Amino acid sequence: AQSVTQPDIHITVSEGASLELRCNYSYGATPYLFWYVQSPGQGLQLLLKYFSGDTLVQGIKGFEAEFKRSQSSFNLRKPSVHWSDAAEYFCAVAYSGTYKYIFGTGTRLKVLA
Amino acid sequence: DTAVSQTPKYLVTQMGNDKSIKCEQNLGHDTMYWYKQDSKKFLKIMFSYNNKELIINETVPNRFSPKSPDKAHLNLHINSLELGDSAVYFCASSQGAGGAGETQYFGPGTRLLVL
Repeated sequence: AQSVTQPDIHITVSEGASLELRCNYSYGATPYLFWYVQSPGQGLQLLLKYFSGDTLVQGIKGFEAEFKRSQSSFNLRKPSVHWSDAAEYFCAVAYSGTYKYIFGTGTRLKVLA
Repeated sequence: DTAVSQTPKYLVTQMGNDKSIKCEQNLGHDTMYWYKQDSKKFLKIMFSYNNKELIINETVPNRFSPKSPDKAHLNLHINSLELGDSAVYFCASSQGAGGAGETQYFGPGTRLLVL
């Protein structure tokens, strides 16, 4: 079955430190990949997405993600984390010919002052 | 301006009751979705509608009935509520026909608690 894995349930980093959140998807042709952020008590906001082309994509709030087909990964990165980045991060994948996202289980980010 | 709005934001009710959650989008999108987020934060698609027609119906109990009076609205009616229905329900919309590559825009969620 098609699936998305976010191996890290919780991650804690200090403010100003770099961040990498991992996402792996099950093999499938032409994946469309997304990262969303959910702040406490809020809905989901799109950070960035990858469809094709340059495998390094830039998003909002200083985030970027790199698509690596050989590793079936789409990891999210930020060079310097701010306290306001504390939130839940969700990776999602959709496949050509389907009509739905498959979400990972999320990674909760805690930022230490 | 709110792009995707949901009412109510919180809903506390007794087992066995019937309740509805409303969703409206002012983005002019053609497709709308309902998701359920459980206590472990797992998000799963329930339904999607494109121009008032059902295109996704996951294995959801038939106590859940979506209704789309027009393409800007997708309401979720739940009959005979059960404890396991307690969750956060998110509405979302996308511009096209609901294809894989479309960006979905989410509402703020409705937190349902069944006692």
